[in-house]
Amino acid sequence: NAGVMQNPRHLVRRRGQEARLRCSPMKGHSHVYWYRQLPEEGLKFMVYLQKENIIDESGMPKERFSAEFPKEGPSILRIQQVVRGDSAAYFCASSPETGADEQYFGPGTRLTVT
Amino acid sequence: GENVEQHPSTLSVQEGDSAVIKCTYSDSASNYFPWYKQELGKRPQLIIDIRSNVGEKKDQRIAVTLNKTAKHFSLHITETQPEDSAVYFCAASKAAGNKLTFGGGTRVLVKP
Repeated sequence: NAGVMQNPRHLVRRRGQEARLRCSPMKGHSHVYWYRQLPEEGLKFMVYLQKENIIDESGMPKERFSAEFPKEGPSILRIQQVVRGDSAAYFCASSPETGADEQYFGPGTRLTVT
Repeated sequence: GENVEQHPSTLSVQEGDSAVIKCTYSDSASNYFPWYKQELGKRPQLIIDIRSNVGEKKDQRIAVTLNKTAKHFSLHITETQPEDSAVYFCAASKAAGNKLTFGGGTRVLVKP
């Protein structure tokens, strides 16, 4: 049973470009969470999605950031017009459909904005 | 919203000694408290969790205690080994299908 998958693992973008981060949850999981980890800091919640629905986006910056989890395919976190402050590790986590508390994390995407 | 404080930020122990990390939370509605271990450049790994209906849980060398009245919970690692060296994060959430609010992390160094 494969774990949570994320790609790419490393992403370098110039200021002003777009970054697309992908997350495939564990098999049988339909809840996806995105977290951001700045260097030497803890994880901060960004957004929680179920298939085709955004459930909680209270941690998402108001501009440039968006997320989706389509009926088919991975969840995508999109950052438009990246700035140096977006450089961080972005982790997604997944949990099962039936109300389980546990969240299992993917390996993360390390975004560097030059 | 929920706020989770974690102490200490760094902890250095001799191999074989115990390590204790403490967290406090602010939202009395929180009822799920996981602990994650993160090695350098790796994903956070769930190592143990506790729910509000129990006060203590143990798994081999690690144990977690919860005091709902005081709104704090702790991680205890006994007989520490060099491979326990990592950053440990506590977290809290209200229920299944809710976001985790993390503490700031504790960098644990186990000296051989």
